[in-house]
Parts: sequence; C-alpha cells; structure tokens
Amino acid sequence: QSALTQPRSVSGSPGQSVTISCTGTSSDVGGYNYVSWYQQYPGKAPKLMISDVSRRPSGVPDRFSGSKSGNTASLTISGLQAEDEGDYYCCSYAGPNYVFGTGTEVTVL
Amino acid sequence: EVQLVESGGRLVQPGGSLRLSCAGTGFTFSRLWVTWVRQAPGKGLEWIANINDDGSDKHCVDSLRGRFTISRDSAKSTLYLQMNNLRAEDTAVYYCAKYDIWSGFAMDVWGQGTTVIVSS
Repeated sequence: QSALTQPRSVSGSPGQSVTISCTGTSSDVGGYNYVSWYQQYPGKAPKLMISDVSRRPSGVPDRFSGSKSGNTASLTISGLQAEDEGDYYCCSYAGPNYVFGTGTEVTVL
Repeated sequence: EVQLVESGGRLVQPGGSLRLSCAGTGFTFSRLWVTWVRQAPGKGLEWIANINDDGSDKHCVDSLRGRFTISRDSAKSTLYLQMNNLRAEDTAVYYCAKYDIWSGFAMDVWGQGTTVIVSS
C-alpha cells in the first residue's frame, strides 16, 4: 500500500484560505468515505481534525472543512490563523488496512 | 479524562525484540478498536496495525506482518505491540490511538508516544 500523495508544503497569510489535497486510488480514498485529517505540532501527537471526509469533531474550529472528489480528498482551512501552522496528514481506510498521506507543512506567513 | 499512555520504548540492538504497551483510561477500552501508528525521525505517519474490541480480529500492514504482532488484554485495558527481529528502519516514535466511537474509522485519541531506537 503506497502512501497517499500530499503537497509537501502550503502557505498563506493570516485570514486567507489554504487547501491541502490528498490523492490516492480507488482502493483507498476513492473507494470509501473514510478519510480523516490530523494536525501535528513538532514533538506532539497528532490531533484529529476531520473524520469521514467532512465531519468535524467537537472542539475543532469550523474554519476547518473537508471534502472529496473521486480519488482526491481535500482539507480547507479558511481564515488562516497563526496557530494553524503545523503538519497535516490525511488518512484513508483501505479495507482492511489504513494508509496515511505523505504530510503537508502549513506555514502562516 | 480519556487517556492513552504508551510505554516500553528503549534502545535495542538490531535483531532484538521489544514489546510496547499502551494503557487506556477514562473510557471503556474493551468496547473499541485500537491501533498502533509510528513516525520515523523527520518522516510521516505510518499505520502499523489495529485490533477489534475482543481481540478476535486484527490487521497489520503487509510490510510488517510476520515481525510485528498486535494484541490486547481488555481486563487490563492495555494494548500491546510485539516487535521481533528489529531493524534500524524500525527506529521511530510509536503511538497508540483509539478509534472514534462516532466514526469507527478515525483515530480520535492518541497517546504521547514511546520512542524505539534500533542501533548497535
């Protein structure tokens, strides 16, 4: 199972929107509506931001949203804030296993 | 408070074995799927394995099957990862996580991680 493909980095100014793509295959992203997104700060454990493509867990700001089209899922951060700077990983169910994305570093300019 | 705490990571020689533990508190550990994920230094997250509530169903990434084995003791609310024939490329921070009760396919609570270093 190959890692899902994400851009190495994205950046934006405070208040802007950024979108992170996550491209897989019909065996993972395209085959199931079970894509989740995780935020990770250096030296810290990942934190769940989005589950089931677009469901936002309690406590996650509504500026985070998820979507999917075909074999590509996306995470959009609207109204970028300084605390959003970090690494983001997508993850997809790939029956019966899971596969993570390569990771994207988000920089707030 | 829902919490997962890993332990057992240490320096081990190539070819050696190690068993990691993950203790869960603040939730009904015995009712949920749980999983192991690792992260090599400076690298991304890699899913390792998961196991169902009673331990009867488990899955492991193909590349580690045969060397790594996941198990659990629900009476002790503890998850394990047995790692054999360790290699330098197994050096990583190992995280345990539980699956979200609302979405059975997302990992909503993670431990702080335990570090495994494979080196002579």
